[in-house]
Amino acid sequence: GQNIDQPTEMTATEGAIVQINCTYQTSGFNGLFWYQQHAGEAPTFLSYNVLDGLEEKGRFSSFLSRSKGYSYLLLKELQMKDSASYLCAVWFFQKLVFGTGTRLLVSP
Amino acid sequence: DAMVIQNPRYQVTQFGKPVTLSCSQTLNHNVMYWYQQKSSQAPKLLFHYYDKDFNNEADTPDNFQSRRPNTSFCFLDIRSPGLGDAAMYLCATSRGGGASSGANVLTFGAGSRLTVL
Repeated sequence: GQNIDQPTEMTATEGAIVQINCTYQTSGFNGLFWYQQHAGEAPTFLSYNVLDGLEEKGRFSSFLSRSKGYSYLLLKELQMKDSASYLCAVWFFQKLVFGTGTRLLVSP
Repeated sequence: DAMVIQNPRYQVTQFGKPVTLSCSQTLNHNVMYWYQQKSSQAPKLLFHYYDKDFNNEADTPDNFQSRRPNTSFCFLDIRSPGLGDAAMYLCATSRGGGASSGANVLTFGAGSRLTVL
């Protein structure tokens, strides 16, 4: 199977920076995606990486190292509304496979 | 706004009573997906259509069927729902068409939450 590993839960304070890591098996890899999912809602797309390096989109950045099977999502200037689950998803062999997600709790 | 719309948002059914969930899209995307997501778990792909080509996941139970009568609509039929089928069902679409990551960005509907009594 396609094992995608992320920490189950993380906590951080408002205004801080948090990094959520994701590791995956490399065979069949064709892109890595990050989605945000608030409780009871559908996932919403945040960013994707196909090539190695950093992609920046406002307060969110995502990094990829294909040789290491590793990615991270960096969230800056955390806001309370950033409390959500963050799903790492990998495009394997023509389909998107999700990790179980990291629940981020932002406190005042 | 172009979007993915799922109906109903909430569905309550009895054990064994068939259910149909619908999904429509105005994005004119080629690919439509159905995911099942149980509480605190990852979305799990059930099947997807690339245009009219149906692709079933190997571990999707026979109890789950799908139809795509045209580009805009896709249905999920659960023939005999069991208690274990209670979940959020997510429809998603993508442009498809190759390794370009833009083509593979999934746009999700709001989901249909199924309760089985």
